[in-house]
Amino acid sequence: SAVISQKPSRDICQRGTSLTIQCQVDSQVTMMFWYRQQPGQSLTLIATANQGSEATYESGFVIDKFPISRPNLTFSTLTVSNMSPEDSSIYLCSVDRGAGETQYFGPGTRLLVL
Amino acid sequence: QKEVEQDPGPLSVPEGAIVSLNCTYSNSAFQYFMWYRQYSRKGPELLMYTYSSGNKEDGRFTAQVDKSSKYISLFIRDSQPSDSATYLCAMSQGNSGGSNYKLTFGKGTLLTVNP
Repeated sequence: SAVISQKPSRDICQRGTSLTIQCQVDSQVTMMFWYRQQPGQSLTLIATANQGSEATYESGFVIDKFPISRPNLTFSTLTVSNMSPEDSSIYLCSVDRGAGETQYFGPGTRLLVL
Repeated sequence: QKEVEQDPGPLSVPEGAIVSLNCTYSNSAFQYFMWYRQYSRKGPELLMYTYSSGNKEDGRFTAQVDKSSKYISLFIRDSQPSDSATYLCAMSQGNSGGSNYKLTFGKGTLLTVNP
């Protein structure tokens, strides 16, 4: 498994502002992922972040709205830009520790946009 | 048709009952099948994963995959109040077809085990 921490654990933000979420892993991993979990919905993959390359975004998610950094093998950030109430959600990072069999998740960041 | 379908429940059972949780899927390229448990206000916790068809047992939990029917199940024996949580199924193609290890989730089933 992996020990994953996220900061902040929760936040309340005003519309039009941006929030950067940090994800820290206890050991080096190649692949990190960012998901969104909206109330009553499935976890949805936002993007895959590999160290040393541009993040790969899923359909419906764009870099201008969700810029991602991956400066090293244990850390990543996701920024939610120009927020609106529709961005209120839980944001989760995860890592792949094996050969793609599964992923381990952080505790999540609960975001409320007013 | 969604790629992964999961009955959201809620499901309420008495302590000691056998619980059956299920998901169906449409993408025959899925190879890895996972079950996560998510307590309120926590991140998903990996319970079990299996590769391809078959059964896997871990303590009170048994995961079954039937790829011919595109159907996966999680059984919980002797359920406990501490099992009360949302259970999420997830699936992956691995790295085949450029899918890049993406997980596709069901919506989750809310389970309550009553003492």
